[in-house]
Amino acid sequence: EVQLLESGGGLVQPGGSLRLSCAASGFTFSSYAMSWVRQAPGKGLEWVSAISGSGGSTYYADSVKGRFTISRDNSKNTLYLQMNSLRAEDTAVYYCAKGIQLWFPFCLDVWGQGTTVTVSS
Amino acid sequence: QSALTQPASVSGSPGQSITISCTGTSSDVGGYNYVSWYQQHPGKAPKLMIYEVSNRPSGVSNRFSGSKSGNTASLTISGLQAEDEADYYCSSYTSSTLVFGGGTKLTVL
Repeated sequence: EVQLLESGGGLVQPGGSLRLSCAASGFTFSSYAMSWVRQAPGKGLEWVSAISGSGGSTYYADSVKGRFTISRDNSKNTLYLQMNSLRAEDTAVYYCAKGIQLWFPFCLDVWGQGTTVTVSS
Repeated sequence: QSALTQPASVSGSPGQSITISCTGTSSDVGGYNYVSWYQQHPGKAPKLMIYEVSNRPSGVSNRFSGSKSGNTASLTISGLQAEDEADYYCSSYTSSTLVFGGGTKLTVL
């Protein structure tokens, strides 16, 4: 069974940092691009970042560019999101999601259950 | 990276058909056949319902169909059922990013 399991969420002060992880199983992890998508409380989905299957190409939404870094360890079947300089508006449930192609996740066919990030003093 | 435009809400009675629109620009919806639709029930993760404009993933009911004309994509649900009540989001590829619509709440009356 294809599964994604996020972890690493929590409460952090404005300006702080957090690293999210997403453990993948049930598929050949390195063959698929991956993405992070977030959802603020009561709001819609917002695409955050994506990474190619090899990890050689990364992509970011303007709202997080320069503050967040996406990476992957294909030997550990794990996706990461390093979040720095966090702001209140970064408060959201963060979902890890799998693309259906190698170089960019044009669509997201498997989603994790999400991990909650709260930025507050 | 402006969000795609969806109606905030639509409703229909069981057995009826409804259509949700998703309007973008020639730089996203109109420029690529990479439009997807997601269903999200409260407190749950989104689920892929349609990809590449009109393709259904394995396991998704054939009551769900997608199409595109110009800069507007559409999701049609036929034979509405109570379990279809959920939020629906469209997304499109654009210039090495993904953009989502604001979401549409479907109410089954």
